[in-house]
Amino acid sequence: QLQLQESGPGLVKPSETLSLTCTVSGGSISTSGFCWVWIRQPPGKGLEWIGNIKDTGTINYNPSLKSRVTISVDTSKNHLSLSLRSVTAADTAVYYCARRRRGSSGLDFWGQGTLITVSS
Amino acid sequence: QSALTQPASVSGSPGQSITISCTGTSNDIGGYNYVSWYQQYPGKAPKLIISDVSNRPSGVSNRFSGSKSDHTASLTISGLQAEDEADYYCISYTTSTTWVFGGGTKLTVL
Repeated sequence: QLQLQESGPGLVKPSETLSLTCTVSGGSISTSGFCWVWIRQPPGKGLEWIGNIKDTGTINYNPSLKSRVTISVDTSKNHLSLSLRSVTAADTAVYYCARRRRGSSGLDFWGQGTLITVSS
Repeated sequence: QSALTQPASVSGSPGQSITISCTGTSNDIGGYNYVSWYQQYPGKAPKLIISDVSNRPSGVSNRFSGSKSDHTASLTISGLQAEDEADYYCISYTTSTTWVFGGGTKLTVL
């Protein structure tokens, strides 16, 4: 069974860079036909799509975050990464990684999420 | 990109049917059959319940169904049960090759 597990620092200071990792187990992140997605959810609010990376290497970002975000895959470690620069309190959220099969809209596997708080 | 529009809350009694709408534009819902729905309990990750407008993944109750008309997608839950009380989110692909979520709907089972 595929499992995704996010990990991160928990607390980040304003203006710094947030770095998160999503470790994939029970399957290979380089398997053809899948996209890997980052999503976040501020406390008490709705879900926000951050971006995704396809098996082809194509990366798409939310236009509102595009100038600050980088998504990458490390196939040797079987993990997905997210880097978000110049964070503010508005970036405080639970961050999720998820998988989507190409040709479908469904995010069929999710990590449990990790809470990132931006505060000095 | 603007979030898709969902009602903030809906409610229904056990056994009843409810429908949650998700309204977009021709640039998202109206242009593609790439709409999915998620159920989320407090403190938990979302769970896929409908993909590609109306496909129900294996293991999801057949009380959940999805449809689309023009720029609006809908999630219907029939035979409402107490365990259905949760938040529900839609998401659609867009012409900008990005994805956009709805604002979410809180379902209360009376």
